[in-house]
Amino acid sequence: KAGVTQTPRYLIKTRGQQVTLSCSPISGHRSVSWYQQTPGQGLQFLFEYFSETQRNKGNFPGRFSGRQFSNSRSEMNVSTLELGDSALYLCASSLARAGSSGANVLTFGAGSRLTVL
Amino acid sequence: KQEVTQIPAALSVPEGENLVLNCSFTDSAIYNLQWFRQDPGKGLTSLLLIQSSQREQTSGRLNASLDKSSGRSTLYIAASQPGDSATYLCAVNQAGTALIFGKGTTLSVSS
Repeated sequence: KAGVTQTPRYLIKTRGQQVTLSCSPISGHRSVSWYQQTPGQGLQFLFEYFSETQRNKGNFPGRFSGRQFSNSRSEMNVSTLELGDSALYLCASSLARAGSSGANVLTFGAGSRLTVL
Repeated sequence: KQEVTQIPAALSVPEGENLVLNCSFTDSAIYNLQWFRQDPGKGLTSLLLIQSSQREQTSGRLNASLDKSSGRSTLYIAASQPGDSATYLCAVNQAGTALIFGKGTTLSVSS
């Protein structure tokens, strides 16, 4: 079965611009989580969507936002880009919500590499 | 607040060696713990998931153990190969939160 698909894989933006990243989860998965990965900070949680509702949010400024559609596909948006937003953005999908009991395995996409100049 | 630590940050071994990667966490109230592998510039691949009620999980040359009371997990890799070179991350799953990751151990296996 198809895995988690993230687009675009690579993109370059300049400070002040905005960017939208897309994530298509595994068919049947209703939870999509987004993470930012940088060499210094490691993987940091951005937010989770389940059934089109944001269920959990990490400690990021309001410039970072997201949404989920009825087909479970998710997008995240970063406005007014800063140099420090350069990172690998990863999304992961799962059957159940994050933080639920049981063997809820997260499957990650290959990521979107954002460079801000 | 849960904190996940992985030591060492980097490890170099010759091919064929058996090795252990360590993961510790501060809050033992977890549902499960997952080990992931990440190749450079790529996403994460799930290797093993251990439920809080389990002590071990095995997949091929990989064996993960969990001691919830002491807040520790280990990933044992038998007979390491150059293809095992990657960053290994552990993550804990607990009630109402997203997975919390350690910063990983970067493994290099030389032939």
